[in-house]
Amino acid sequence: KQEVTQIPAALSVPEGENLVLNCSFTDSAIYNLQWFRQDPGKGLTSLLLIQSSQREQTSGRLNASLDKSSGRSTLYIAASQPGDSATYLCAVSRRGSTLGRLYFGRGTQLTVWP
Amino acid sequence: EADIYQTPRYLVIGTGKKITLECSQTMGHDKMYWYQQDPGMELHLIHYSYGVNSTEKGDLSSESTVSRIRTEHFPLTLESARPSHTSQYLCASSEGVTGTANTEAFFGQGTRLTVV
Repeated sequence: KQEVTQIPAALSVPEGENLVLNCSFTDSAIYNLQWFRQDPGKGLTSLLLIQSSQREQTSGRLNASLDKSSGRSTLYIAASQPGDSATYLCAVSRRGSTLGRLYFGRGTQLTVWP
Repeated sequence: EADIYQTPRYLVIGTGKKITLECSQTMGHDKMYWYQQDPGMELHLIHYSYGVNSTEKGDLSSESTVSRIRTEHFPLTLESARPSHTSQYLCASSEGVTGTANTEAFFGQGTRLTVV
């Protein structure tokens, strides 16, 4: 069984700060790790996908790193903006499980105030 | 841009009613999933499908049923809704390439179901 933990559960910061969101998982035998954004009452928007053979992925102000051996991933958000306010979810797909099935953390609820 | 759609977005319905939540994707993905999410909690897999005529139950026990008659369509049905079914239901799909890691998941906007 794969368990995913995200720290912190909530984060409130002023605009412009650089942020670090953490994700850890118990089974390092993964295909990939995916970071999502969820706005209140909405579905999930994929932000970054890191394959198990990769160390990091970047998209704009977002950078995600993966340390598979230690079961950790970090999402960096540079120069945060109020529009970044949302819940950020980390999910992993596990080898030996249903192909494509994802195991989710509970998320980090981010608030960026002006 | 993900092309996966769920209807309705919001549904309030009385106990005992039969409901069907719709999910459609235009990406030609073989794999489709239904997840259930309660506020502040993880998403839990309740159903998945590898392709047409293939459906399986997920990790979280659910009284709902699903069907996969067409690749693009994966509806979820509750025969008799109860207040305990109140939750958000999220549909997802991913590319069906067996043996590779190309399994980026795309999600719909979700259906928020309230059973009164």
